Amino acid sequence: NAGVTQTPKFQVLKTGQSMTLQCAQDMNHEYMSWYRQDPGMGLRLIHYSVGAGITDQGEVPNGYNVSRSTTEDFPLRLLSAAPSQTSVYFCASRLTGGKEGTDGYTFGSGTRLTVV
Amino acid sequence: AQTVTQSQPEMSVQEAETVTLSCTYDTSESDYYLFWYKQPPSRQMILVIRQEAYKQQNATENRFSVNFQKAAKSFSLKISDSQLGDAAMYFCAYRGSTTSGTYKYIFGTGTRLKVLA
Repeated sequence: NAGVTQTPKFQVLKTGQSMTLQCAQDMNHEYMSWYRQDPGMGLRLIHYSVGAGITDQGEVPNGYNVSRSTTEDFPLRLLSAAPSQTSVYFCASRLTGGKEGTDGYTFGSGTRLTVV
Repeated sequence: AQTVTQSQPEMSVQEAETVTLSCTYDTSESDYYLFWYKQPPSRQMILVIRQEAYKQQNATENRFSVNFQKAAKSFSLKISDSQLGDAAMYFCAYRGSTTSGTYKYIFGTGTRLKVLA
């Protein structure tokens, strides 16, 4: 089925460890983004990309890196995990803008990350 | 900067009854889009309904409809004939435009809807 695939679904890290959250979409969407969801704070944008080779920071980028070598993949790297990064992470994709970008996001199923 | 406010952290509705979730936003843009997303316990975010700001007619999708008041910057979601499967967190979202054309999305903090049998 077409959509956004996120792995893993659950992860526990120790403080200081690094890891990569994977995200892949097969809808040929130009725009991909990573959000974190925390209670009472909604979804906050971490990083986004408007196409292969182009990334930019969102609202809460510190402690995270991204790259976009292909249209399909947009991995999120935690460089040195901290307890403040305990959250649920969502990858989402959509067509870029104008009329074509108004169908809304397609979201992955999320990754629940716990940093101890 | 644009903001989206959902002032009801939690709502309850009796099965088969109607409930309205409120959302207000602030923007200086004239062209934008508004969305309601549903997040059931499975965690998957699902698009429920969208509204184009230049359209005066309120959007409707089966039992879901919106009351869009552009001048008041209000965008409420009405769920009719509520079902147990409607129980979820609901997020209001605004999609505007930026100078770079990336059409930034802003999400509200969510309203948890409980459906009582």
